[in-house]
Amino acid sequence: AQRVTQPEKLLSVFKGAPVELKCNYSYSGSPELFWYVQYSRQRLQLLLRHISRESIKGFTADLNKGETSFHLKKPFAQEEDSAMYYCALRSNAGNMLTFGGGTRLMVKP
Amino acid sequence: EPEVTQTPSHQVTQMGQEVILRCVPISNHLYFYWYRQILGQKVEFLVSFYNNEISEKSEIFDDQFSVERPDGSNFTLKIRSTKLEDSAMYFCASIPGQANTEAFFGQGTRLTVV
Repeated sequence: AQRVTQPEKLLSVFKGAPVELKCNYSYSGSPELFWYVQYSRQRLQLLLRHISRESIKGFTADLNKGETSFHLKKPFAQEEDSAMYYCALRSNAGNMLTFGGGTRLMVKP
Repeated sequence: EPEVTQTPSHQVTQMGQEVILRCVPISNHLYFYWYRQILGQKVEFLVSFYNNEISEKSEIFDDQFSVERPDGSNFTLKIRSTKLEDSAMYFCASIPGQANTEAFFGQGTRLTVV
């Protein structure tokens, strides 16, 4: 069975501080991993995915298969980064997403 | 930019009643999904739909649930006899195809069963 764990429900940092949102997964095959973000009163939207290896809005995430992690990082948080962040896994057996519980990021001025 | 649209945004229903949640996926997408999120809990997969049939479903998606794509644009989720524990946010999503697996989500329908 596949599982995604986000250990922190809430992460509060000051503007300009580094941010790391943790995500660990459990899956026996080769997963595809995503970070989705939900800003206040908006829909879930894709932030980034591991296969594209890109940086979006200053965020990066590296898939570490040895540690089964896909942590989301940003060197300098901005107030507009405040949102709910969800790590998700897509198995190669289907197209469904398995979500973590989400982490609420609050960036204080 | 095209969006997935869900109606209504909020539905209140009495226990035992049938509800239909509606979604209009992005027009050239091929895969359609329903997810739900009970307050304070994870977003959970319910069902996926491809080529006019269910391709995957979770344990949550029992006989009380059904999906339909009646007219080539709408994608509906029906709950036949609602229970209190069906109260949740229901999200519709669509994916362009196998080559592009980015899921586009609707804004959600909040279902409250009283």
